[in-house]
Amino acid sequence: DVQMTQSPSSLSASVGDRVTITCRASRGIGDSLAWFHQKPGKAPKSLIYDASRSQDGVPARFSGRGSGADFTLTITDLQPEDYGSYYCQQYYSYPLTFGGGTRVDNK
Amino acid sequence: DVQLVQSGGGLVQPGRSLRLSCAASGFAIVNHEMHWVRQAPGKGLEWISHISRFGKSVHYAASVRGRFAISRDDAKNSVYLQMSGLRTDDSSLYYCARGGVIINLWGQGTLVTVSS
Repeated sequence: DVQMTQSPSSLSASVGDRVTITCRASRGIGDSLAWFHQKPGKAPKSLIYDASRSQDGVPARFSGRGSGADFTLTITDLQPEDYGSYYCQQYYSYPLTFGGGTRVDNK
Repeated sequence: DVQLVQSGGGLVQPGRSLRLSCAASGFAIVNHEMHWVRQAPGKGLEWISHISRFGKSVHYAASVRGRFAISRDDAKNSVYLQMSGLRTDDSSLYYCARGGVIINLWGQGTLVTVSS
């Protein structure tokens, strides 16, 4: 199985900040990586796929980069609705696997 | 509205069975592959099962293989998760999700609690 490791596990940021989350795969997965955002008590929302492509309706302040084993999600100009948890997920091979999550809260 | 509406969760004793349902609205699941993902209280996301179009292939996480079964009824525009031999560590919020390997739509989640 491909293991996904996210860092940091949590961070504190203010509205307007730039936030970067890192995801590392245990082996190369090409660009087969997605990012999701989950607000407390809500279902996840799909943000990014193919490492850098945005799902429809996702604001331009969200961007993904990377390939192989190392990936990043960057949020520029953090907005109040961006707080919550973020998860990466590989779909290079089954079983699909998620990172452990990064909680972003208000500084 | 395009959405997935889930039902079937609840409290069940260890060793018993439960079936979760996920009904699509606003689109036809016949055109899509489907997944189940769960989240234990306060924990992260765990993918557990996938079914291809027409049910030609299925995949399971090791944690549920042999106990859970995914199925679909395209005529009812629904996907199901039959869970048997439930254990206390199966207690989670269960989400159905639409996508091939790329998930792009989530249900609202349904809570399963396994306890005596």
